[in-house]
Formats: sequence, structure tokens, C-alpha cells
Amino acid sequence: KQEVTQIPAALSVPEGENLVLNCSFTDSAIYNLQWFRQDPGKGLTSLLLIQSSQREQTSGRLNASLDKSSGRSTLYIAASQPGDSATYLCAVSRGTGNQFYFGTGTSLTVIP
Amino acid sequence: EAQVTQNPRYLITVTGKKLTVTCSQNMNHEYMSWYRQDPGLGLRQIYYSMNVEVTDKGDVPEGYKVSRKEKRNFPLILESPSPNQTSLYFCASREGTGYMNTEAFFGQGTRLTVV
Repeated sequence: KQEVTQIPAALSVPEGENLVLNCSFTDSAIYNLQWFRQDPGKGLTSLLLIQSSQREQTSGRLNASLDKSSGRSTLYIAASQPGDSATYLCAVSRGTGNQFYFGTGTSLTVIP
Repeated sequence: EAQVTQNPRYLITVTGKKLTVTCSQNMNHEYMSWYRQDPGLGLRQIYYSMNVEVTDKGDVPEGYKVSRKEKRNFPLILESPSPNQTSLYFCASREGTGYMNTEAFFGQGTRLTVV
């Protein structure tokens, strides 16, 4: 069974700092990996999707990398802002591509 | 606007009283799925559907039923809810299945409490 781990569980940084969130998974036979943010009381918002054949994706201040062989992904956030405060989740799809496994998330607080 | 809509957003019910949580998407997506989110356990997949009349179990299907009679709708049915089904539920959809899967879109969530 696929296990997805996110470390740290919580992170607090001053505004403007660059930061890295980590996601690791036990089974490297994945089809893709997706990063989401979740705001309190709200659903999940997709940030970046990396297909298994890709090594990274970028969107604005966000950059996600994928190393399938080592079972790791990182989400890099540049020049953090208070509006980035949220819980960040990673999810991998495997099997036929239709089963998703989520990490438990990293709660990020950006202090003004 | 592309969206996944769940109803209700909040529900308190009693043990054993059948309930249905609806999920509808307006993006003509083939794939839809249900998750529950619990503290310390993260999101776990309950059921998924690859198209009309095609459904399959996820990680935690016990106590739940689903149906996919129309492409846009994917209701979650709890025939006899129990307190351990108290959770935050999310519906999601995406275009394509298997190798062709793309980014997933999530609903706003349904907070269910079973007393």
C-alpha cells in the first residue's frame, strides 16, 4: 500500500522567506503527483500537477520537483506572503491511475 | 465557472438514519471520487468512478455506497450511518482516467456529524 508522508507537519516563517515543503512516498510506481492547498473550512485548490515523466513544474512563485526513484517531491515557495498561509497537501496516483493517496499535509504560517 | 458542488455543506444526523450527500460537476469530467478527511489520517479515498455506471472501491469503502447514473452526478450514500463516519467529506472530479489523468478539482466539503 502506498504511504505518503509530509514533513514538517507545521512550519512558521517570516514574510519574504523562501521555503521548501517535502513529500515522500513509498511506492515509486506512480502516474502523477499533485500539490494542493487547503484553507480552513474550504476545499482543496490544485497548485501543480507533475506527471511521472516530468521532473518539475512551475507556476508563479511555486516550483514543484519530482524524483520518482527516491520517492520524493518538494514544493518550493519563493518570497512567501501572509496569503500563502494554508495547509499544503501532496497526493500521488498509482495503480491504474485512479487511486489517489494523500499526505497528511504541512500547515504553513507566514508571519507579516 | 468550472466547479464541483457538494450538498449539504453541514449535516448532523442520528445513527442509522440513511442519508445522501450529493456531488455535481459542470466540466463534463469522466472521473469522480469521494474522500473523507480525518485529523491525523489525512484524506482517504472512499470510492471512485471512471464513467457512467463504472465505480470501484477506494481505500475505505465500508459503510458507503455510490452510484453514477449521470456523468455530472456522483452521490455518496450512507445507508446506516454510525458515529465513526463523522468526518469531513470531499468530492472531486478530473478529466480522463488512468494514464490520461489530469489535475483534480475538489468541492467545498461536507462536514458530517453522526450522533
